Amino acid sequence: NAGVMQNPRHLVRRRGQEARLRCSPVKGHSHVYWYRQLPEEGLKFMVYLQKENIIDESGMPKERFSAEFPKEGPSILRIQQVVRGDSAAYFCASSKDRPNTGELFFGEGSRLTVL
Amino acid sequence: AQRVTQPEKLLSVFKGAPVELKCNYSYSGSPELFWYVQYSRQRLQLLLRHISRESIKGFTADLNKGETSFHLKKPFAQEEDSAMYYCAYPNGSGNTGKLIFGQGTTLQVKP
Repeated sequence: NAGVMQNPRHLVRRRGQEARLRCSPVKGHSHVYWYRQLPEEGLKFMVYLQKENIIDESGMPKERFSAEFPKEGPSILRIQQVVRGDSAAYFCASSKDRPNTGELFFGEGSRLTVL
Repeated sequence: AQRVTQPEKLLSVFKGAPVELKCNYSYSGSPELFWYVQYSRQRLQLLLRHISRESIKGFTADLNKGETSFHLKKPFAQEEDSAMYYCAYPNGSGNTGKLIFGQGTTLQVKP
């Protein structure tokens, strides 16, 4: 039973390019969460999605960032016109339901480097 | 603002020594709290949650509402306990997926 799969594991972009990070949740999980970890900092919540719905995007920067979780296929975190400050590890997590016990299953992360 | 604070970035102990990883929270309600762990080259995973009052891999954590703390303890550290530990709690009513994480503490257990 595969866990949360994220790709690419490493992504290098130049300033102004677009970055797309993909996340396939655990099979049977319909809730997906994206977190960002900047260097020397903890994990920061970005967005919570269910299939075809954004439930909570309170942690998303107002511009350039968007996320989706379509009916078919993986969840995508998209960063347009990347800047150096976007360099970070982006973690995806999933859960089967909205858990009362708080257990999220995390992917291994996608590390974005902006040159 | 609701926050989770882990004051130590690095905690280094010898094998067999007691371990206490500190976590303090600022929250006005009755919190649910969790400890997550990331071993080298592995994914972040749930270690334990306070509502279940369980001991996992010899670790326990007691919620102290008076001190607003949820320290993680183990009486005798093992080398395989070396990892990054994160304290976390959910933000927002009814949505425990939106976890607030502390900065993390690296535990280094020396032989």
